Amino acid sequence: GAGVSQSPSNKVTEKGKDVELRCDPISGHTALYWYRQRLGQGLEFLIYFQGNSAPDKSGLPSDRFSAERTGESVSTLTIQRTQQEDSAVYLCASSPGGGEANEKLFFGSGTQLSVL
Amino acid sequence: RKEVEQDPGPFNVPEGATVAFNCTYSNSASQSFFWYRQDCRKEPKLLMSVYSSGNEDGRFTAQLNRASQYISLLIRDSKLSDSATYLCVVNTASGGSYIPTFGRGTSLIVHP
Repeated sequence: GAGVSQSPSNKVTEKGKDVELRCDPISGHTALYWYRQRLGQGLEFLIYFQGNSAPDKSGLPSDRFSAERTGESVSTLTIQRTQQEDSAVYLCASSPGGGEANEKLFFGSGTQLSVL
Repeated sequence: RKEVEQDPGPFNVPEGATVAFNCTYSNSASQSFFWYRQDCRKEPKLLMSVYSSGNEDGRFTAQLNRASQYISLLIRDSKLSDSATYLCVVNTASGGSYIPTFGRGTSLIVHP
């Protein structure tokens, strides 16, 4: 597709359930990022994938969060045993280059996660 | 201290006004700088890069002061459609790559 695609656009779940969020980056983009944005807050870095290199997981808030990426395509972010504080918009972005200093991000429209 | 700090605003200005936003960053090794725009309930979109020499794109001017670790965005002749949140972004080295770090954003409201 022309842009970064995320699914689902909205997800409502019960506390304690696991959720899986999906991101399809722009074709040919080697870098992929996940961010979290709580209501009224800034973007919080979660994880970064670059090609086949080991991901930078330094932003994951707890071991309940994990992410995978298959080659340079689809990525899934999994949150286990969801808590109410996980409620946020989860944004995925991709960029064309190899983690260069001047990387510019292209964002998907996000997944709004609500944990009841 | 947060890595990237911005005044959250809101800045409430009339159409036609000139408005300026500032951003400071804490990591002196940061390499590149950007302004993104985020409309309500939408994803961020790149507005412009920020270069040391300063750069202009139409009504928008961005400046970088590395010595003071300070970035600015100036909007001239504000339009209603400029109403949005403006995010300051700094790319900082992390394990051989560069991770974009976002400020919390500055809210701009342009009124008739």
